[in-house]
Order: sequence, then C-alpha cells, then structure tokens
Amino acid sequence: GENVEQHPSTLSVQEGDSAVIKCTYSDSASNYFPWYKQELGKRPQLIIDIRSNVGEKKDQRIAVTLNKTAKHFSLHITETQPEDSAVYFCAASKASGTYKYIFGTGTRLKVLA
Amino acid sequence: SAVISQKPSRDICQRGTSLTIQCQVDSQVTMMFWYRQQPGQSLTLIATANQGSEATYESGFVIDKFPISRPNLTFSTLTVSNMSPEDSSIYLCSVVTGHGYTFGSGTRLTVV
Repeated sequence: GENVEQHPSTLSVQEGDSAVIKCTYSDSASNYFPWYKQELGKRPQLIIDIRSNVGEKKDQRIAVTLNKTAKHFSLHITETQPEDSAVYFCAASKASGTYKYIFGTGTRLKVLA
Repeated sequence: SAVISQKPSRDICQRGTSLTIQCQVDSQVTMMFWYRQQPGQSLTLIATANQGSEATYESGFVIDKFPISRPNLTFSTLTVSNMSPEDSSIYLCSVVTGHGYTFGSGTRLTVV
C-alpha cells in the first residue's frame, strides 16, 4: 500500500547549523509533497510544499527538493534557530481525487543553543 | 486559509462510554478529514467525510467504532464509541484549502 518513510526520527543540531530531513514515498502517482511543523501541544502547521512539476522550492531559510525518479524529497533548514525545534512531518498526496495525505513518521528536531 | 474550531480540546472519559468531537469551519469545504495521532506518533487517517454521502474509512477503522456525521459543508462530528484505553489519543479534523491541509486544534482524549 501507500507508504512514506521519513529519516531520521530524531535530529540534534547546533544553532546556526543546517538540518536535513529526508522522505521516500512509494506511490509514483503522488504529485504533491507538503511539510508540516508541529510544536509541542500544537496542531501541525504547513511550512512549505512542492508539486511534482518542480524540483526545488525555497522560502527564506527553508527549502524542499524533489527527485521524482528516485521518489525522494527532502527538507532543508539553514541557519537553524532554537524556535525551529519541533516535530516535522512530510506527506505525499495525489492532490486530486481523494486529496488523502500519507504522512511520514516524523522527525524530532532539537536545535541546541 | 480556513479557520477550524474543534471541541472539546480535551476530555477524560470512562471506558465503555462514547465521546463526540465537533469541527466547525469558517467556510464551505467539500472534504473534511479525521486523523488520529497517538502519543509521539505520526498522523493516521481515520476517514474522509464528504457532505451528503457516507464517510470513507481507512483500513483498520470502522463506522461502528468511529461514526461520522457531515450534515453540511461547514461542520462535521466524529464519535469515538465504546472507548477503551487504547483509544487515548489526539484526534484532529482537517480540511483541504488552496494552502494544503489546515488542521483543527485537536482533541486530546484520555480513556480511564
């Protein structure tokens, strides 16, 4: 069935360093890949997304890359700050029809001051 | 993006009872989704609720356990029936907008 694998499960970086989280999806028909940030006790919030007709998208310190051939996509956070500490979830969707999201298992990011 | 009001925000319930969770959206949306997030885990889709039709349940979830209502394009309820401690979780509704999913604030359910 449809599956999204996410690595690593935990990630600790020093403030100012970069963080990279990787996801792999199984359904080749997926064409929309959002990333959500969930702070403790809060709802998940969309931080960036990418569609399959684009290879890379950037928004300030955050970027997402997509390799459709390999069915990989990654989140890159540069110049990390303590407020980036949260759990990050990737997801894959067909963005049409059911609009169903399959979420990855999550990455707990800790930015050490 | 849409604003979703979800309630209750939390509840502690006795096993064997039922709890109904409500989600109200500030705009009309075709599809609403109900997710479960167990402690420290990812988000698992329970069902998709379309107005005017039966909800579509994912594998492992059944209507008798999680009945859903969708009476109009701005409102939906999820009931967790005959609860057991294994149902302790956070339940979230969500809708699709032009900005992807927007989630409700969640309902933290503890079954004792």
